[in-house]
Amino acid sequence: SQQGEEDPQALSIQEGENATMNCSYKTSINNLQWYRQNSGRGLVHLILIRSNEREKHSGRLRVTLDTSKKSSSLLITASRAADTASYFCATVNTGTASKLTFGTGTRLQVTL
Amino acid sequence: NAGVTQTPKFQVLKTGQSMTLQCAQDMNHEYMSWYRQDPGMGLRLIHYSVGAGITDQGEVPNGYNVSRSTTEDFPLRLLSAAPSQTSVYFCASSGLAGRETQYFGPGTRLLVL
Repeated sequence: SQQGEEDPQALSIQEGENATMNCSYKTSINNLQWYRQNSGRGLVHLILIRSNEREKHSGRLRVTLDTSKKSSSLLITASRAADTASYFCATVNTGTASKLTFGTGTRLQVTL
Repeated sequence: NAGVTQTPKFQVLKTGQSMTLQCAQDMNHEYMSWYRQDPGMGLRLIHYSVGAGITDQGEVPNGYNVSRSTTEDFPLRLLSAAPSQTSVYFCASSGLAGRETQYFGPGTRLLVL
């Protein structure tokens, strides 16, 4: 079964706007990771946030983690057409080290 | 570094045929894994390995075999292909027993007729 569920399933915005994607999960985690997948390609790692961290930044990306709500969000600021992709959250669950469990993803479309 | 490489990129099989999907990494990672991705879904873990000689099942292992004789290679074998195995297959590798960033290969598209 899939651990994470992303919300929304699809998001369409204009270039320059911010995009926010949410991920909810069910069990306690060791860390949570966000990945990007361009159409037909492999996944690319974006950010890893550990269970004792609340926020991380990487360039235009900001990830938050709320372990009490079992949720995380990915914010992409000042979006670009090149950000068009599917975004997945994935968790390493406590006690199941060595398994990365993926959510179903958010498809982001950034238009000019 | 080539990173994680997968061959073939695309394969068509008939029901009942067997084949091996190849995966290799040159980053000296101990952890390697195989996922399948079906339309509209995330990735589901098939098998994984925490080091040479050690493999374990993931979420959807039925119909697949793996072995890990070297650190670099982690082939996935389809024993008797079924249409339900039509999917895109991704191999990934990672350090620290899979807890850290995973590096993905470009994928193999498999069509089973």
